[in-house]
Amino acid sequence: GDSVTQMEGPVTLSEEAFLTINCTYTATGYPSLFWYVQYPGEGLQLLLKATKADDKGSNKGFEATYRKETTSFHLEKGSVQVSDSAVYFCALMPSLTDSWGKLQFGAGTQVVVTP
Amino acid sequence: AAGVIQSPRHLIKEKRETATLKCYPIPRHDTVYWYQQGPGQDPQFLISFYEKMQSDKGSIPDRFSAQQFSDYHSELNMSSLELGDSALYFCASSPTGTGGPSGANVLTFGAGSRLTVL
Repeated sequence: GDSVTQMEGPVTLSEEAFLTINCTYTATGYPSLFWYVQYPGEGLQLLLKATKADDKGSNKGFEATYRKETTSFHLEKGSVQVSDSAVYFCALMPSLTDSWGKLQFGAGTQVVVTP
Repeated sequence: AAGVIQSPRHLIKEKRETATLKCYPIPRHDTVYWYQQGPGQDPQFLISFYEKMQSDKGSIPDRFSAQQFSDYHSELNMSSLELGDSALYFCASSPTGTGGPSGANVLTFGAGSRLTVL
């Protein structure tokens, strides 16, 4: 079945450091890929998405490129802030019509940014 | 902009009791999804509804049931609660016809309902 693997946390960084969270996936067909962020005590918020190979999703300084050849969707940000401290989930949505909306999440990566 | 509204935000129940969670989707969104996130876990898909009919089912226990009403809001009913049911329950909604190979279907999640079973 479909699955998502992302790097384990916590990832602890200093403010203005470069952040990378690795995410790889296994899926049939051409899934859509997402990064969701969960701030402490809050719900899931869509951070960015990519729907086909070589698409780059970007939002709030975060970027991720859909790499079909490496089945990856790594999240990057050039200069993190304390306010970026959160848990980040990589997720895929299968391309099969009977699985729309059935997101498969990775285990989540906690990011802690210190001043 | 209106978001997905979930109620209650927090709920405390005893073992073997019953709980009901409610979800109000974004206006004009006719598809609703329920997810369960255990402590320190990733969200797991439970069930979804499209136009008031169940459209997909995931790892939802038989003790749980859900439905979508004519105004598109949805309720998740949980009976014979167990300690392991303690989790954050998310509802998400999406509009019609945004799925398919292009994968444009994007779910908008609510803030979640935290259920604690004592």
